[in-house]
Amino acid sequence: DAGVIQSPRHEVTEMGQEVTLRCKPISGHDYLFWYRQTMMRGLELLIYFNNNVPIDDSGMPEDRFSAKMPNASFSTLKIQPSEPRDSAVYFCASSFSGQGRNQPQHFGDGTRLSIL
Amino acid sequence: GDSVTQMEGPVTLSEEAFLTINCTYTATGYPSLFWYVQYPGEGLQLLLKATKADDKGSNKGFEATYRKETTSFHLEKGSVQVSDSAVYFCALRGPAGSYQLTFGKGTKLSVIP
Repeated sequence: DAGVIQSPRHEVTEMGQEVTLRCKPISGHDYLFWYRQTMMRGLELLIYFNNNVPIDDSGMPEDRFSAKMPNASFSTLKIQPSEPRDSAVYFCASSFSGQGRNQPQHFGDGTRLSIL
Repeated sequence: GDSVTQMEGPVTLSEEAFLTINCTYTATGYPSLFWYVQYPGEGLQLLLKATKADDKGSNKGFEATYRKETTSFHLEKGSVQVSDSAVYFCALRGPAGSYQLTFGKGTKLSVIP
């Protein structure tokens, strides 16, 4: 079975450019999570969706960050304009609620973002 | 709010040594507890879980017991292998109905032959 698919795996761009990260969750999963991982701050939850609806975006650092989930099989995280401090690994994860709250989150392999 | 505290790394062990990674938590009620593992260049994978007090989660030789009285969920393995080298994350899910996880900062384990 295909896992969570993220693209691109690596992104290097200059400060001020728009960056779009993409995620395809596991088919049938109804929760989708976006995380950011840095050495200093560890793993931070940015936003999560249930049935394509954003439930909690309190982790989004500022208005430069936005996330959408137009359908059950696709989500984007956009940074505009990007800044060097946005450099991090961004993970997408999905989970299925149908068998209770303790089902695991399945992570993609992440997008390593470098803003020069 | 909920929080998870893990022992600081990195941890370096020789092959076949005993491993303990400490994890304590703060949460209201009775959370569910998890250990995730992250291998280099990959995302996190669920290693084991426990959903109520005194439950023991186990997988691939790793174990952790949910201790309500000490609010702990320490990860143990009797004999580590080089292939266990990874970053280990303790996490909790609060009982209040949310599906989100609260993660610790992670502990990097290196096992040398």
